[in-house]
Amino acid sequence: KNEVEQSPQNLTAQEGEFITINCSYSVGISALHWLQQHPGGGIVSLFMLSSGKKKHGRLIATINIQEKHSSLHITASHPRDSAVYICAVSLSQTSGSRLTFGEGTQLTVNP
Amino acid sequence: GAVVSQHPSWVICKSGTSVKIECRSLDFQATTMFWYRQFPKQSLMLMATSNEGSKATYEQGVEKDKFLINHASLTLSTLTVTSAHPEDSSFYICSASQLYEQYFGPGTRLTVT
Repeated sequence: KNEVEQSPQNLTAQEGEFITINCSYSVGISALHWLQQHPGGGIVSLFMLSSGKKKHGRLIATINIQEKHSSLHITASHPRDSAVYICAVSLSQTSGSRLTFGEGTQLTVNP
Repeated sequence: GAVVSQHPSWVICKSGTSVKIECRSLDFQATTMFWYRQFPKQSLMLMATSNEGSKATYEQGVEKDKFLINHASLTLSTLTVTSAHPEDSSFYICSASQLYEQYFGPGTRLTVT
């Protein structure tokens, strides 16, 4: 069993739909990261959170430490949101901590 | 925001040759850099952790004599794939750590023929 599991693995949506990607982890963590990887391969860090909720534009990330669960929501989805979304956790509170990655969720938003 | 660059963005080399990939933090100093490899349709796999001025820490199963990592300054780490073989063909990504954030480079696609 992976330490970080994401669902769904693949998600297809129509433009404008509300999207939720889930991440569960089985170990104690110091922070959880949501990353976005576009088809070209480059990775962008969307959020780092250790509690509560963060919002940036149409993206919202939440985390429940007790349940070891995080969700990434995209409101009013757009074809340009099509990408792989990766959940990753850091186990240590020290700077420069390595990340443990989920398998990623391939999101396709159709016009 | 913090920017990490990689060079080259893609490279094709012949089997048996060596290839060097550079990872630079452009506007911040990174005491720790990470090197990842990613195969198609798979997630990132950590290869090694690179700390400035000290030897890299390699993950289990990663050959340190094949994947040479040098972190000579706070803004530059290099990965050299020595005696490359077709099975080394992959997408290599670095990240640089600042405080508790990690910033990723755009990646380097290596093809060994």
